[in-house]
Amino acid sequence: EVQLLESGGGSVQPGGSLRLSCAASGFTFTSYAMSWVRQAPGKGLEWVSTITGGGGSTYYADSVKGRFTISRDNSRDTLYLQMNSLRAEDTAVYYCAKGIVGAILHTFDIWGQGTMVTVSS
Amino acid sequence: QSALTQPPSASGSPGQSVTISCTGTSSDVGGYNYVSWYQQHPGKAPKLMIYEVNNRPSGVPDRFSGSKSGNTASLTVSGLQAEDEADYYCSSYAGRDTLVFGGGTKLTVL
Repeated sequence: EVQLLESGGGSVQPGGSLRLSCAASGFTFTSYAMSWVRQAPGKGLEWVSTITGGGGSTYYADSVKGRFTISRDNSRDTLYLQMNSLRAEDTAVYYCAKGIVGAILHTFDIWGQGTMVTVSS
Repeated sequence: QSALTQPPSASGSPGQSVTISCTGTSSDVGGYNYVSWYQQHPGKAPKLMIYEVNNRPSGVPDRFSGSKSGNTASLTVSGLQAEDEADYYCSSYAGRDTLVFGGGTKLTVL
């Protein structure tokens, strides 16, 4: 069964850091681009970042560029999101999502259950 | 990276059809055939329903269909069923390696 399992969420003060992880199983991890998508409480979805299958290219939304870093460890089938200089507006459920065959960041066919990040003093 | 425009709500009775629109610009919806639609039930992760404008992933009922005209994409749900009640989000590739989502539409089955 194809599965994504996020972890690492929690509460942090403004200006703090957090690293999210997403463990993948059931598919050839290195063959697919992976992304992070977030959803603020009661709000819509927002694309955050994407990394290609080999990890050689990364893409970011303007709202997180320079503060967040996406990475992956293909030997561990794990995706990461390092979040620095966190702001209140980063408060959201963060979903890990798998890209479809042949696509880098325009379609996600498998989503994790999400991990909540709360930025508050 | 402005969000795509969706109506906040839509509704229909069981068995009826409902169409949800997703309006963007020539830089996103109108410029690429990379429009996707996701269904999200409360407290759950989104589920891919339509990709590349009008393609259905395996397992998605053929009651769900997608289309695009100019800068507006549409999701049509035919033969509405109670389990179709959910939030629906469109997304589109927006060039320069970015992706944009719509604000979401709450579909109510009356």
